[in-house]
Amino acid sequence: DTAVSQTPKYLVTQMGNDKSIKCEQNLGHDTMYWYKQDSKKFLKIMFSYNNKELIINETVPNRFSPKSPDKAHLNLHINSLELGDSAVYFCASSQVAGQKLFFGSGTQLSVL
Amino acid sequence: DAKTTQPPSMDCAEGRAANLPCNHSTISGNEYVYWYRQIHSQGPQYIIHGLKNNETNEMASLIITEDRKSSTLILPHATLRDTAVYYCIVSPAGGTSYGKLTFGQGTILTVHP
Repeated sequence: DTAVSQTPKYLVTQMGNDKSIKCEQNLGHDTMYWYKQDSKKFLKIMFSYNNKELIINETVPNRFSPKSPDKAHLNLHINSLELGDSAVYFCASSQVAGQKLFFGSGTQLSVL
Repeated sequence: DAKTTQPPSMDCAEGRAANLPCNHSTISGNEYVYWYRQIHSQGPQYIIHGLKNNETNEMASLIITEDRKSSTLILPHATLRDTAVYYCIVSPAGGTSYGKLTFGQGTILTVHP
């Protein structure tokens, strides 16, 4: 029973395409996040949602659009993919915003 | 921008205690110290957090100095599976931070037989 699950695990696509990454948590948490880990392994927050409402948007290009259909899901849609979008994207959740995050296993996105 | 300083790498023999230091000299009064680790090709995993008192759970112990400017994560009996990157993070607890954890470069801990 995976607590935070992301799909797909690997995503290889061409520049200019639109793609989505899905995330689901079965922990009953109120807050969900998207983090990006670049090639230098730095982890940076992209978005945070609390009870389906966006509360953090860390100056991410508007090609990235998170969607939270319910508290258990936070999907990430990316339009017009660029080479620089290649990274590992992690979804996470927590019961209380900012405390004890549970991370998914990541989605490795490669843009060719 | 990470507000913590950690050694880039450390080694530890299997079965021994691993003591990972972290400096956070600019920590504010309402900021907690969090430790996470990331095993290769996995997502970060929460280990422990504390405000000013020492904390212990099933994974590790956290020792915070009295002035709160530094801390040490202790893995009492390191195993090969503890080989990972360990991140020390300071962040306000609760809603004010909204999960905006700032991960630095962390410490690569290698546990060897």
